[in-house]
Amino acid sequence: GESVGLHLPTLSVQEGDNSIINCAYSNSASDYFIWYKQESGKGPQFIIDIRSNMDKRQGQRVTVLLNKTVKHLSLQIAATQPGDSAVYFCAENRLYRYYGQNFVFGPGTRLSVLP
Amino acid sequence: NAGVTQTPKFRILKIGQSMTLQCAQDMNHNYMYWYRQDPGMGLKLIYYSVGAGITDKGEVPNGYNVSRSTTEDFPLRLELAAPSQTSVYFCATKGRATSGYTFGSGTRLTVV
Repeated sequence: GESVGLHLPTLSVQEGDNSIINCAYSNSASDYFIWYKQESGKGPQFIIDIRSNMDKRQGQRVTVLLNKTVKHLSLQIAATQPGDSAVYFCAENRLYRYYGQNFVFGPGTRLSVLP
Repeated sequence: NAGVTQTPKFRILKIGQSMTLQCAQDMNHNYMYWYRQDPGMGLKLIYYSVGAGITDKGEVPNGYNVSRSTTEDFPLRLELAAPSQTSVYFCATKGRATSGYTFGSGTRLTVV
């Protein structure tokens, strides 16, 4: 079935470097995507979202890029800090019967920031 | 403002036992969701609700039941616990005007 997945399950970066986390999706009808951050022992937290009519969106130290041609999403974190260590999920919007939004989550990428 | 509150945080069940995972929210969000997260995996949708009195199955509903009698509460019921239900369970909410979900802190359930 259609799914959302990630290229790299783990990523280690030096503190201060930029991080790039990738995500592939297969549902070409998806029109809305969100990146979540999950710290150990906590629930996922919203980071940034992007709609399919955009190819780039910037937040504070984070940028999401969307390439609809190859169905690819990436999250870029500038000047990675120890507090960025977490698992990052991309999520794809999918509508259910009652029109409530549901997001399909990929398996996640663990980001480890090295001192 | 508590957001989304899940109880209990941890629970160990024996095979065949039943329990209810509680989820309460104070944000007046219409949409509520139950997800399970297995080790190294993404979140899988169990059940969801678009408002009081309306619930529907998600991707992995077998072995679970829900009810939504109020806007605030969305309990998840396990009737006959099985080892395959060992997981971390997350409740999430979403308002019509909000971009993403607000998650609770999770319930870690072990069935032995």
